Amino acid sequence: GNSVTQMEGPVTLSEEAFLTINCTYTATGYPSLFWYVQYPGEGLQLLLKATKADDKGSNKGFEATYRKETTSFHLEKGSVQVSDSAVYFCALNTGTASKLTFGTGTRLQVTL
Amino acid sequence: KAGVTQTPRYLIKTRGQQVTLSCSPISGHRSVSWYQQTPGQGLQFLFEYFSETQRNKGNFPGRFSGRQFSNSRSEMNVSTLELGDSALYLCASSLGVGTVGNTIYFGEGSWLTVV
Repeated sequence: GNSVTQMEGPVTLSEEAFLTINCTYTATGYPSLFWYVQYPGEGLQLLLKATKADDKGSNKGFEATYRKETTSFHLEKGSVQVSDSAVYFCALNTGTASKLTFGTGTRLQVTL
Repeated sequence: KAGVTQTPRYLIKTRGQQVTLSCSPISGHRSVSWYQQTPGQGLQFLFEYFSETQRNKGNFPGRFSGRQFSNSRSEMNVSTLELGDSALYLCASSLGVGTVGNTIYFGEGSWLTVV
């Protein structure tokens, strides 16, 4: 079956530090990969996505590259802000269905 | 364009009662899926509906059910509530057909507390 593994949190960084959140996956077929962000008390917001190998998704300074050879989709940002503090979820789905398989989420805390 | 709308946002129920949650997808989206989020189990897929038909189902007991109407709006129902059903229930919508990797958009969720 499909599965997503994310690095354990919490991740605590100072403002303007470089962020990496690791995500690896196991899937049958060729999945599409997503990063979602959840701010306290809110639902999930799509951050970025990639649908095929070597695609790079990017949004709001965040980037992730679909690496088929290492089955990874690591999230990066060059300079984090306090407002980036949230929980980040890596997810995948296959085909045209809307069933997402999520990782456990990584809490990011950014301090001044 | 309005996003995914879920009602109610917050509710408290007693063990043994039942609850119905509602979801209105983004206009033009035909697929609606539901997820349960708890601190212990994380985000778990409940079911997906497309054109009023259940297309996928997660590993939840039969107390959890759903349906989709002709206008794509969806409801999920949980009967005989248990304390462990306390969770954030998230609805998501997407086009559901066509291109692989449809973007899936989530609502703000319904916070259910069972006492």
